[in-house]
Amino acid sequence: DSGVTQTPKHLITATGQRVTLRCSPRSGDLSVYWYQQSLDQGLQFLIQYYNGEERAKGNILERFSAQQFPDLHSELNLSSLELGDSALYFCASSVEQGLRETQYFGPGTRLLVL
Amino acid sequence: GQQVMQIPQYQHVQEGEDFTTYCNSSTTLSNIQWYKQRPGGHPVFLIQLVKSGEVKKQKRLTFQFGEAKKNSSLHITATQTTDVGTYFCAGHDYFNKFYFGSGTKLNVKP
Repeated sequence: DSGVTQTPKHLITATGQRVTLRCSPRSGDLSVYWYQQSLDQGLQFLIQYYNGEERAKGNILERFSAQQFPDLHSELNLSSLELGDSALYFCASSVEQGLRETQYFGPGTRLLVL
Repeated sequence: GQQVMQIPQYQHVQEGEDFTTYCNSSTTLSNIQWYKQRPGGHPVFLIQLVKSGEVKKQKRLTFQFGEAKKNSSLHITATQTTDVGTYFCAGHDYFNKFYFGSGTKLNVKP
């Protein structure tokens, strides 16, 4: 158990819909990362937040957005869903210590768009 | 754009054989991290290297960061069935952008 929680575990929805994925980082971790992993694919970095502010952006679509709240939990919003958005969405949290950083991954949310 | 590629994409070995995966970045990285993802699981952090030419060992695993900080390797000696999974490298560039490698899927036949 990494200490990172993600809800829901599974989500089934229809094309065109909007969903929100939630991530609670480990206690004390200020950074949250979001990743997308399609079936049998690598991890696609989407976005990083640090202490409530967006820090780095990866290959995140305009239909997707995220935020980190004052209590440090984060939400990833996916809108106008397409079939190709079906994937496993991971969040990871980390505490930065200079150049040393370890990311702890949550169990993921499996999204199926029908 | 910046990419972090890993080779090979897949590797099938007989238990007891050695295994190496290579990670290559198109730009200089400030650090390199390695993760392992078991089938059906989530990535788990293995190690981080930050110095040019750094080599670190964890039991049968040897990690190396290249002199130019643009490549890295993970070598497993005498693989076991418990080594099965996908190995990812990842790292930050000097603009603090984070990249995950494409991954190497290792299968170990008993």
